[in-house]
Amino acid sequence: DVKVTQSSRYLVKRTGEKVFLECVQDMDHENMFWYRQDPGLGLRLIYFSYDVKMKEKGDIPEGYSVSREKKERFSLILESASTNQTSMYLCATLDRGAGQPQHFGDGTRLSIL
Amino acid sequence: AQSVTQLGSHVSVSEGALVLLRCNYSSSVPPYLFWYVQYPNQGLQLLLKYTSAATLVKGINGFEAEFKKSETSFHLTKPSAHMSDAAEYFCAVSERGNNRLAFGKGNQVVVIP
Repeated sequence: DVKVTQSSRYLVKRTGEKVFLECVQDMDHENMFWYRQDPGLGLRLIYFSYDVKMKEKGDIPEGYSVSREKKERFSLILESASTNQTSMYLCATLDRGAGQPQHFGDGTRLSIL
Repeated sequence: AQSVTQLGSHVSVSEGALVLLRCNYSSSVPPYLFWYVQYPNQGLQLLLKYTSAATLVKGINGFEAEFKKSETSFHLTKPSAHMSDAAEYFCAVSERGNNRLAFGKGNQVVVIP
């Protein structure tokens, strides 16, 4: 089974802090994704990466950046956290091949005070 | 751009009754379609997927979905609801050749004893 591990289940930070969310996968998948999930809005894509050091913006990249220095690790960075970034953050991976499903971590519930 | 419509953010169903969750998509060509389930404080788990084989797809936990191209629909059903089916359900679509998923806003299912 694919295992996608997000470093923290719950995180509380203060406005203006630089925040790092980490995601590690154990299945050698090329593609990795960061989503945020808010009630009534479903999942929205922030950034994704299709290879080491490669990244593409998703639908809501403002206020975020990402880093992928190694294939198994994909980091989401909040450069200067704001209260409107309080949310559930989900990491996912995707293997190559047509019609493959994405595999999700358990999420990080981030609160910005 | 692809999009997914799930109507009814909250769905109540009696234990033992039919579960029906509707999903309509917009895509220029037949896409890949997925249903995911999310239990409280967890990530998303794949229920089933459609990738152009049989139009009736069976998934885990007794769920199934039928792809209808003429109706651009991929509705999820389960003949008899169980208390353990209480969760949030997401329909998602990806176009062939595109690794990105577009999610619906989700259905929160409540099972009434």
